[in-house]
Amino acid sequence: KAGVTQTPRYLIKTRGQQVTLSCSPISGHRSVSWYQQTPGQGLQFLFEYFSETQRNKGNFPGRFSGRQFSNSRSEMNVSTLELGDSALYLCASSSATSNEQFFGPGTRLTVL
Amino acid sequence: SQQGEEDPQALSIQEGENATMNCSYKTSINNLQWYRQNSGRGLVHLILIRSNEREKHSGRLRVTLDTSKKSSSLLITASRAADTASYFCGAGSARQLTFGSGTQLTVLP
Repeated sequence: KAGVTQTPRYLIKTRGQQVTLSCSPISGHRSVSWYQQTPGQGLQFLFEYFSETQRNKGNFPGRFSGRQFSNSRSEMNVSTLELGDSALYLCASSSATSNEQFFGPGTRLTVL
Repeated sequence: SQQGEEDPQALSIQEGENATMNCSYKTSINNLQWYRQNSGRGLVHLILIRSNEREKHSGRLRVTLDTSKKSSSLLITASRAADTASYFCGAGSARQLTFGSGTQLTVLP
């Protein structure tokens, strides 16, 4: 079974731009969670989607948003990018019957 | 704020030795998961332990959970150079995990 995939793997943007990251969960997994990892703040939870509905949200500004499609693929969007948004963005998927979260390789976002 | 906190922050051992990492968390959880991360890549799932479990084994890994002390430990036995990585615990409920800053394990050949 293929793992969680994320695209793109690397991204360079400038301040003020917006960015969209994509995540395809493991086949059959309907829950997708997003995390931000930075050297200063570590791994922080952004939000979680299940069956196209956002169920949980972390403490991030409204510039960070996401959505999930009917095939369980998910996207997250960051608008009006700031230098501090430079991070590794990780998504994880889990099945409806298990709490195990399996992570993708991440998207490395650099904001200049 | 981070819920899980790993201890020590860094650990250096010789190949063949055992490595023990500890994790503490602050609020009630229904599960705790340990992950390995190599050089800024994705997190590799190692093991999940539920709040009603006290110990779990998987290969060379042994995890314990003490909910009264809100702490967990990960033991890697007979370590190998390939075990060199950062290790994180994610304390969770539902599908939201809160992570600590991780333990950087270096296994010297």
